[in-house]
Amino acid sequence: DGGITQSPKYLFRKEGQNVTLSCEQNLNHDAMYWYRQDPGQGLRLIYYSQIVNDFQKGDIAEGYSVSREKKESFPLTVTSAQKNPTAFYLCASSIGGSGYNEQFFGPGTRLTVL
Amino acid sequence: AQSVTQLDSQVPVFEEAPVELRCNYSSSVSVYLFWYVQYPNQGLQLLLKYLSGSTLVKGINGFEAEFNKSQTSFHLRKPSVHISDTAEYFCAVSGAGGGNKLTFGTGTQLKVEL
Repeated sequence: DGGITQSPKYLFRKEGQNVTLSCEQNLNHDAMYWYRQDPGQGLRLIYYSQIVNDFQKGDIAEGYSVSREKKESFPLTVTSAQKNPTAFYLCASSIGGSGYNEQFFGPGTRLTVL
Repeated sequence: AQSVTQLDSQVPVFEEAPVELRCNYSSSVSVYLFWYVQYPNQGLQLLLKYLSGSTLVKGINGFEAEFNKSQTSFHLRKPSVHISDTAEYFCAVSGAGGGNKLTFGTGTQLKVEL
């Protein structure tokens, strides 16, 4: 089955620790995205990548970092500089980087910082 | 810049009744419009999309939406809802020529009651 996997599903960390969220896709998609979801705020774009070894900041990139060393992988690191990291994080991918390309979403990772 | 407004944060409806979830957008360029559904603690699934052509778009699970350029709206409708339609629904817009950056509304929680 083709799709997007995110791991872990639930993640707990102490304040001040960096944490990396995994996102893998086997859809052979060029573009990948990270969103943050908070109650009542919809989804907000953190980072996106349209091609391997290239990525751009989204609307709320501060306190986050990404890498895109392989086409199928786009890990997100939540650093200690992120002031309010507790949220639901969603990874997505699309076949291309055009506005008409449908984005496919993974099941999400719920991060709780204690 | 583009934005999406979903005025109704919650919509309660009885089973087998019709429902309309409202979505209005603003953009300075031509748009592509999407509706996604999210079940609790899961990722998003595409219901339908408008790219061009016919303004009435049919999607999965019996949902449809109508693109109205003059009113900058893309309301989602279903003639008869089921308990299983209880979920959160997100309207999203991307702009032609602006890459694949999706802007999401804040979501509408549809609660179907017996």
